[in-house]
Amino acid sequence: ELKVEQNPLFLSMQEGKNYTIYCNYSTTSDRLYWYRQDPGKSLESLFVLLSNGAVKQEGRLMASLDTKARLSTLHITAAVHDLSATYFCAVDMKYGGSQGNLIFGKGTKLSVKP
Amino acid sequence: NAGVTQTPKFQVLKTGQSMTLQCAQDMNHNSMYWYRQDPGMGLRLIYYSASEGTTDKGEVPNGYNVSRLNKREFSLRLESAAPSQTSVYFCASSEAWTPGDKWGEQFFGPGTRLTVL
Repeated sequence: ELKVEQNPLFLSMQEGKNYTIYCNYSTTSDRLYWYRQDPGKSLESLFVLLSNGAVKQEGRLMASLDTKARLSTLHITAAVHDLSATYFCAVDMKYGGSQGNLIFGKGTKLSVKP
Repeated sequence: NAGVTQTPKFQVLKTGQSMTLQCAQDMNHNSMYWYRQDPGMGLRLIYYSASEGTTDKGEVPNGYNVSRLNKREFSLRLESAAPSQTSVYFCASSEAWTPGDKWGEQFFGPGTRLTVL
């Protein structure tokens, strides 16, 4: 059974600081996704990571994937208040193909304070 | 493009009542999904449809049925609602069969907030 664990689950940061969210998963997979959710809203796709060593960056967020370690990271650089949201990682259950069966982590609730 | 749309946005049911949640996408995606989101639990897959004409159970299918009406529409039915089904329900779609740099990326609808009393 594929399990996806995120940590931390809650993160309070000061503006301008850097931090990393970790996403570990328990079985082999080669596709991992990061989503953002604002309170009361839907999920917005941030990054699609499709191979070992993949690195994607958008603004102050950078995501990476290490399939051998079964680990993805979401790094936040110089946090600003607008980044306050809940961030989810999701792993595709099917290795080497895709049915789209994603297993989600429980999410990391990020709060960026002045 | 509206993307993924869901109706209704909010619904209150009494225990034992039935209802159908509707979902439609206009992105010509082959695959569609139903998730539920509960506090502290992330999203859990209820049912999915890899392509028109097929449906399969996800992680938490008990108490639900689905219909893939056509390529655009995928509905979720609660035959006899229970308080444990109080949740926010999200529909999503993806082009899961076509490899590319966004392979398997799912697009989510706005959600339906369901309360069962």
